[in-house]
Amino acid sequence: SYVLTQPPSVSVAPGKTARITCGGNNIGSKSVHWYQQKPGQAPVLVIYYDSDRPSGIPERFSGSNSGNTATLTISRVEAGDEADYYCQVWDSSSDRSFGGGTKLTVL
Amino acid sequence: EVQLLESGGGLVQPGGSLRLSCAASGFTFSIYAMSWVRQAPGKGLEWVSGISGSGGSTYYVGSVKGRCTISRDNSKNTLYLQMNSLRAEDTAVYYCAKDLGSDGHAPLDYWGQGTLVTVSS
Repeated sequence: SYVLTQPPSVSVAPGKTARITCGGNNIGSKSVHWYQQKPGQAPVLVIYYDSDRPSGIPERFSGSNSGNTATLTISRVEAGDEADYYCQVWDSSSDRSFGGGTKLTVL
Repeated sequence: EVQLLESGGGLVQPGGSLRLSCAASGFTFSIYAMSWVRQAPGKGLEWVSGISGSGGSTYYVGSVKGRCTISRDNSKNTLYLQMNSLRAEDTAVYYCAKDLGSDGHAPLDYWGQGTLVTVSS
């Protein structure tokens, strides 16, 4: 199966930039999607195909993917961005795989 | 507005069965692949199963193969997950999710609110 590795937690002060990484073997050759999940709520797609943003998602959310690491970047972080974030890819050996999730804490 | 409403969760004994349903509205159901994703208490997301828009192709995570069957009724805009031989480790919130595309490889752009399945004696 295809393994995706995320840091368990990231902390950032309001107004600063948060970067959440997702590591995988040659992940740059795959399409990476990112989901935000707030406590007690269903996940929400925030970035798809590495760097596209669904309608309604603020421009503060962006994504990149190269080599063995994909990155979700949240600029000018707000208290409302505090959530768990999951990366996800499709791979022929394991179909859909999710990373273990990263808890973003806004200090 | 896209809406996905899961039902069918509950408490079941180990070895028992449940059928989850997901009623979809607000989009042309038959065009899009659909998935079930679960989340054990306090844990991360795990994709469980997917089905193409036509229903002709189905996909499963290894841990549920042979125990679960995904299906859909495009005339009723409803997705199903039949779960048999349930184990304690199947305890989770089960989410129904819509694919952005039709082939089961795309991101999941809409999610339901989930239904809780508890496997316990």
